[in-house]
Amino acid sequence: AQKITQTQPGMFVQEKEAVTLDCTYDTSDPSYGLFWYKQPSSGEMIFLIYQGSYDQQNATEGRYSLNFQKARKSANLVISASQLGDSAMYFCAMREDRGSTLGRLYFGRGTQLTVWP
Amino acid sequence: EAGVTQSPTHLIKTRGQQATLRCSPISGHTSVYWYQQALGLGLQFLLWYDEGEERNRGNFPPRFSGRQFPNYSSELNVNALELEDSALYLCASSSGSGANVLTFGAGSRLTVL
Repeated sequence: AQKITQTQPGMFVQEKEAVTLDCTYDTSDPSYGLFWYKQPSSGEMIFLIYQGSYDQQNATEGRYSLNFQKARKSANLVISASQLGDSAMYFCAMREDRGSTLGRLYFGRGTQLTVWP
Repeated sequence: EAGVTQSPTHLIKTRGQQATLRCSPISGHTSVYWYQQALGLGLQFLLWYDEGEERNRGNFPPRFSGRQFPNYSSELNVNALELEDSALYLCASSSGSGANVLTFGAGSRLTVL
């Protein structure tokens, strides 16, 4: 089974609008972390936001927020007030805090976001 | 503060050759991670080094190997190159296994002809 599922290969949003990128995860580990990274065409992976499995509040970082629904095992990224520079590939990732997979991030297949003027 | 630096940016090899990719972590970071991003396969975990030791390894054949030096920089070696090894190889660093965030470099693109 896929550890991370991103069901939206591509998303389009108009500048200044909000957009939600979907992510569901699969783990039996009670302790884990969820991440979102952005990858522009240059290739570098840019960290956006982190949510720990025990965090009570949804994480926020500027225009980025993570809608964490633990029971549904979803960790959707919400980008408010989209900008043209937000156009990139977005990856959801998970880290399990168990010995055999320690240090490993599982990535989804990504969602290509295009922001149009 | 300098980020994670990788070299070379691009590398072209032929089947059967060896490739060596290099990574310098952020100053103060002791953990280095290698990921492969091949077309159609997404990002796959390759290796994790911490304090000079290999701590974990992904599902890759032994011809993928590496090491971490005393200054925490790292090398990834790929022997007996195959066409399917063509990919972007991303290095990341963190301030230890308990750190939450991995900071990635811009990657080394390996093309095998």
